[in-house]
Parts: sequence; C-alpha cells; structure tokens
Amino acid sequence: DSGVTQTPKHLITATGQRVTLRCSPRSGDLSVYWYQQSLDQGLQFLIQYYNGEERAKGNILERFSAQQFPDLHSELNLSSLELGDSALYFCASSVDGTGNQETQYFGPGTRLLVL
Amino acid sequence: GNSVTQMEGPVTLSEEAFLTINCTYTATGYPSLFWYVQYPGEGLQLLLKATKADDKGSNKGFEATYRKETTSFHLEKGSVQVSDSAVYFCALRNSNYQLIWGAGTKLIIKP
Repeated sequence: DSGVTQTPKHLITATGQRVTLRCSPRSGDLSVYWYQQSLDQGLQFLIQYYNGEERAKGNILERFSAQQFPDLHSELNLSSLELGDSALYFCASSVDGTGNQETQYFGPGTRLLVL
Repeated sequence: GNSVTQMEGPVTLSEEAFLTINCTYTATGYPSLFWYVQYPGEGLQLLLKATKADDKGSNKGFEATYRKETTSFHLEKGSVQVSDSAVYFCALRNSNYQLIWGAGTKLIIKP
C-alpha cells in the first residue's frame, strides 16, 4: 500500500459527460501528479500540483482540468468525454516535507470507460 | 527532448531463468532513473531507482546499474519466479520532477 488513495476505482459513463476523479496523497506529501495510461499512448504525464499551485503541465487536453485543495487532495475533471478518453488514470504524490522529490508514490488508479 | 526506450514484450521465460529487460534513455544532463512494476489489476509500484552514474539500484532480487556511457539502465534478475509476472516500466525524472516513461515490457514467467 503506497498510502495514496484514489476514488472511484471504476467509472463507466457516456460520451459527452463529465466526471471527477479524486486523489488523496500520502500524509505529508505536498505534490500531486496525474497520469493517463491508455493502450495506444502508454503512460503520459498530465499535470502536477504543489501545495495548491499548478507546477507543470504535460499532455493534458483543454477538456481536462485539475485542482489541489487546501487539505492537499486533488481532483481531475474530465469533460465532454470521448471514447478515446477511456483509460486508467493514476495519481502520484511526492515531497515528504524535507524537500525530497526523488520518488513518486502511485495510487491504485481509476479505470474510466466511456461508452 | 527526454525519452525512454524499452525492449518490446512480451518477454516469456521459464521459472529460475535469468532476466534482462533493456532500457536506454535520451536526456539532457543526468536524470534520475527508475524501474516501476505493475502487477495485473494493480497500480504502479516503485521497484528500484538510481540517482547518479554508476549507482546500482536493487530490490527483491532485481538490480539495475545507471550507465552514463551507454545511457542505459537495464533491469536484471538472476532467477525469476512466477510471481514476477507483471509489466515493467523504465522511467527518467526530468529537471521539472516529471517522470518520462518507456512503453513498458510485459514479463510472463512460466512454471
């Protein structure tokens, strides 16, 4: 158990809909990362937050957005869903408060299926 | 830009065989390197890491050495078990602390 939790575990929805994925980082970690794992694109970095602020953006679509709340949990919002958005979405956390950013710890993922 | 290339799978071995999964990288500077493992139906787990040239990461019988001269970080294990069956990902950490991933290599161990 990495200490990172993600909900829900599975999500089935229809095209055009909007969903919210939730992530709670390990206790004490300030940074949250979101990744998408799909069959055709592999693992891709989407976005990173550090202590409530956006720090870096990767291959994140404009239909997707994220935020990190004062209690450090994060949400990834996916809107106007398309079939191609079906994927496993991982959250990871790092920075244990001593400045060590070397290791990212991953949650179990949310499997999204868009029908 | 930064990139990671892994050998294509699946790799199929018999129990107790020697394992090598190749990983090479392209990067500016000297990034930290990682191997993550994904067991069926589960999330990603850090297997081992190395943060500078000639460092050797090791865990659960797996080893990988950071080779600057060949820009490689090959994963090895002397005697694999059925329980090692999983997908293995090589990754590098860039200067923005983001992980850049290889495509993953599926390992199948037959009893």
